[in-house]
Amino acid sequence: DSGVTQTPKHLITATGQRVTLRCSPRSGDLSVYWYQQSLDQGLQFLIQYYNGEERAKGNILERFSAQQFPDLHSELNLSSLELGDSALYFCASSVGAPQNTGELFFGEGSRLTVL
Amino acid sequence: DAKTTQPNSMESNEEEPVHLPCNHSTISGTDYIHWYRQLPSQGPEYVIHGLTSNVNNRMASLAIAEDRKSSTLILHRATLRDAAVYYCILRAGVGGGGADGLTFGKGTHLIIQP
Repeated sequence: DSGVTQTPKHLITATGQRVTLRCSPRSGDLSVYWYQQSLDQGLQFLIQYYNGEERAKGNILERFSAQQFPDLHSELNLSSLELGDSALYFCASSVGAPQNTGELFFGEGSRLTVL
Repeated sequence: DAKTTQPNSMESNEEEPVHLPCNHSTISGTDYIHWYRQLPSQGPEYVIHGLTSNVNNRMASLAIAEDRKSSTLILHRATLRDAAVYYCILRAGVGGGGADGLTFGKGTHLIIQP
C-alpha cells in the first residue's frame, strides 16, 4: 500500500460527458502528480501541483483540468470525453520541495472507459 | 529531457540474478538515475535511485558507470513476483530546472521463468 488513494477505481461513461477523478496523497506529501496510461502511449505525465499551486504541465489536453485543494487532495477533471480518453489515470505524491529527487508514490489508478 | 535507452524485454530464470541495463549518454551532472517498476494492473513502484555511487536497498542494487552514461539495475535473486516492466528514468536534481515529474519511456518487460 503506497498510501496514495484514488477514487473511483473504475468508471464507465459516454462520449461528451465529464468526470472527476480524486486523489488523496500520502500524509505529509505536498506534491501531487497526474499521469495517463493508455496502451499505445504508455505513461504520460499530465500535470503536477505543489502545495496548492500548479508546478509543471505535461501533455495535458485543454479539455482536462486539475486542482489541488487546501487539504492537499487533488482532482482531475476530464470533460467532453472522447473514446481516446479511455485509459488508466494514476496519481502520485512526493514529499518536500518543488524540485525533489526523492521517490514518487503512486496510487492504484482509476480506470476510465469511454463508450 | 535527457533520454534513456533500455531493451524492450528480458527473460530470466527464477532464483537467478537479473541485470537490467540502461543507457543514458546525454545525462547531465545534476540528473539522478531513478528506477521504477510496474507490476501488472498496478501503479508504478519506486525501486531505487542514485547519482554517482552504487546504491543498495532491500529490493535491488544500482550500479552506475564511472562516466554515468549507463547504469544497471541488479535483482539479486529474481522471483516470479519480480515480473514487471522496469523503467529507468533521469530526474533533474535541485537546481537542474524543468518539471519535477518523472518522464517514463517504454521500459524493459522482465519475464521470469519458473
